[in-house]
Amino acid sequence: AQSVTQLDSHVSVSEGTPVLLRCNYSSSYSPSLFWYVQHPNKGLQLLLKYTSAATLVKGINGFEAEFKKSETSFHLTKPSAHMSDAAEYFCVVSSNQGGKLIFGQGTELSVKP
Amino acid sequence: DAGVTQSPTHLIKTRGQQVTLRCSPKSGHDTVSWYQQALGQGPQFIFQYYEEEERQRGNFPDRFSGHQYPNYSSELNVNALLLGDSALYLCASSLEPYGYTFGSGTRLTVV
Repeated sequence: AQSVTQLDSHVSVSEGTPVLLRCNYSSSYSPSLFWYVQHPNKGLQLLLKYTSAATLVKGINGFEAEFKKSETSFHLTKPSAHMSDAAEYFCVVSSNQGGKLIFGQGTELSVKP
Repeated sequence: DAGVTQSPTHLIKTRGQQVTLRCSPKSGHDTVSWYQQALGQGPQFIFQYYEEEERQRGNFPDRFSGHQYPNYSSELNVNALLLGDSALYLCASSLEPYGYTFGSGTRLTVV
């Protein structure tokens, strides 16, 4: 069985400071891992994905994530937060290409001016 | 290039009624998946359609059914609506080995 656990339901940072959103996964197979962002009343936008290539994955808008198999983690980071980053972030696992996506519960990111 | 289009954007139904939600996939995508996102939760997989057949199904009752047409568009039908069916319903299209594109969703409220 596969699952993801997002360790923080809410993270608050000041504009210009680093962002860290934590995610642990469980998978019997070599997983594909994703981070999606959801702005209020909007659909889901893909930030980045890991599919067994480089362990450090760069995404859009300055976000990146590092796949650590020994720690079963896939944390999302950004060096400097922007007000427009305020949104809900989901860590997602999929067992194979085209397979169903299993979402974490989400982390709400707030950015203070 | 149009992305995934869902209709309607919002609707309100009464308990016991039936509802049909529609999804037009991104151009070139042949697979459509449906997800239910309750308030404050992550999306939950309902089912996936490929070549007009249900290929995978999540843990949802038979009240939830779907269809995919030859042009790859899809419908999600929910019968005998319950208050707990109130949620944002998201459609995602894909073309292997590429990733998913999500629509903006249909907000269903059951009263």
